[in-house]
Amino acid sequence: GNSVTQMEGPVTLSEEAFLTINCTYTATGYPSLFWYVQYPGEGLQLLLKATKADDKGSNKGFEATYRKETTSFHLEKGSVQVSDSAVYFCALRVSGYSTLTFGKGTMLLVSP
Amino acid sequence: DVKVTQSSRYLVKRTGEKVFLECVQDMDHENMFWYRQDPGLGLRLIYFSYDVKMKEKGDIPEGYSVSREKKERFSLILESASTNQTSMYLCASSRDVSQETQYFGPGTRLLVL
Repeated sequence: GNSVTQMEGPVTLSEEAFLTINCTYTATGYPSLFWYVQYPGEGLQLLLKATKADDKGSNKGFEATYRKETTSFHLEKGSVQVSDSAVYFCALRVSGYSTLTFGKGTMLLVSP
Repeated sequence: DVKVTQSSRYLVKRTGEKVFLECVQDMDHENMFWYRQDPGLGLRLIYFSYDVKMKEKGDIPEGYSVSREKKERFSLILESASTNQTSMYLCASSRDVSQETQYFGPGTRLLVL
């Protein structure tokens, strides 16, 4: 079956620190990969995505590269801000299916 | 912009009550989804629908049913609420099977006493 594993949180960083949130996956088909973000009190919103191997998704200073050889899609940001505090979800979708498989989420807390 | 709205942000119900959670999207999307979100478990798919009057079970359908009488509206029904259904419920929609992005509503936090 399909599954997504992401690092447990919370991840606690100071402002301007470098961020990495690890995500690995298993999939029966050839997946597209996503990062969603959930700010406090809100629903999820798409942060970035990649649809094929070696693609890099990027948005708002965040980026992630689709690594087929290591089945990974790690999220990175060079300098986090307090406003980046949120829960981050890695997800996959196998071609031909509408449904997403989510990881359990990683909470990021950024202090000034 | 796509807008997905949910009828309530917070609900408090008693054990055994029938509970309706409503979700409406305004972008003529084919697909709609209901998830529940619990600490340490992430998002789990309850049901989804790819067309009016069509529904498919997700990973945890037990204790839930759904209704999709109109394209823009997808309802989640708890036939007899139980305390273990206390959770955050999230609705989402996507255009069709070829579109990968799901758009989420703000969520309904349900407490069953």
